[in-house]
Amino acid sequence: EVQLLESGGGLAQPGGSLRLSCAASGFTFSSYVMSWVRQAPGKGLEWVSGISGSGGSTHLADSVKGRFTISRDNSKNTLYLQMNSLRAEDTAVYYCAKDSSSGSTVEAIEFWGQGTLVTVSS
Amino acid sequence: SHELTQPPSVSVSPGQTARITCSGDALSNQYAYWHQQKPGQAPVVVIYKDTERPSGIPARFSGSSSGTTVTLTISGVRAEDEADYYCQSADNSRTYVLFGGGTKLTVL
Repeated sequence: EVQLLESGGGLAQPGGSLRLSCAASGFTFSSYVMSWVRQAPGKGLEWVSGISGSGGSTHLADSVKGRFTISRDNSKNTLYLQMNSLRAEDTAVYYCAKDSSSGSTVEAIEFWGQGTLVTVSS
Repeated sequence: SHELTQPPSVSVSPGQTARITCSGDALSNQYAYWHQQKPGQAPVVVIYKDTERPSGIPARFSGSSSGTTVTLTISGVRAEDEADYYCQSADNSRTYVLFGGGTKLTVL
């Protein structure tokens, strides 16, 4: 059974940093593209970033380029999102998501974690 | 184009058929997925690759595709189907995951 468990959310000040983690199990983690998707309060889903199975290819949404970094540790079956220069508009539930793609490009979200809340406020 | 367009809301009575559309240029070359999200819960895939239904999803959920538009159809709608529904695809270079703005399905 696929399981994705996010952690690391919480309260951060504007301009501050947070690192999210996602522990994966139930599938061959290193074989699949993984993504982070966020949802601001009362709003829709927004894809944030994706990373290939090897970690050699990463992609970021324009809204977070230059501030967020996605990475993974396949020896620990863990996905990360380093968030710097945080803004109020980054406040959202952040979901870890497994892609259907086993290549280096994104395709489709096929499984979701339960999410972790990030609040950016002074 | 990086946009997928959905109607903000759809309302139907129990037992009727609900149809939710999603339009975008990317859909002519990429598969569509449909995600159901109930309040306070993570999304769940109800349709993948335009028309396929994951195990455990009721047969009343179906998907179709024509050109740059895909449609999620829920036949014999039940009160438990009330939720937000999001279509999802990828841009043609598969650099970005795309989401529609979401459709709130209300069961009257």
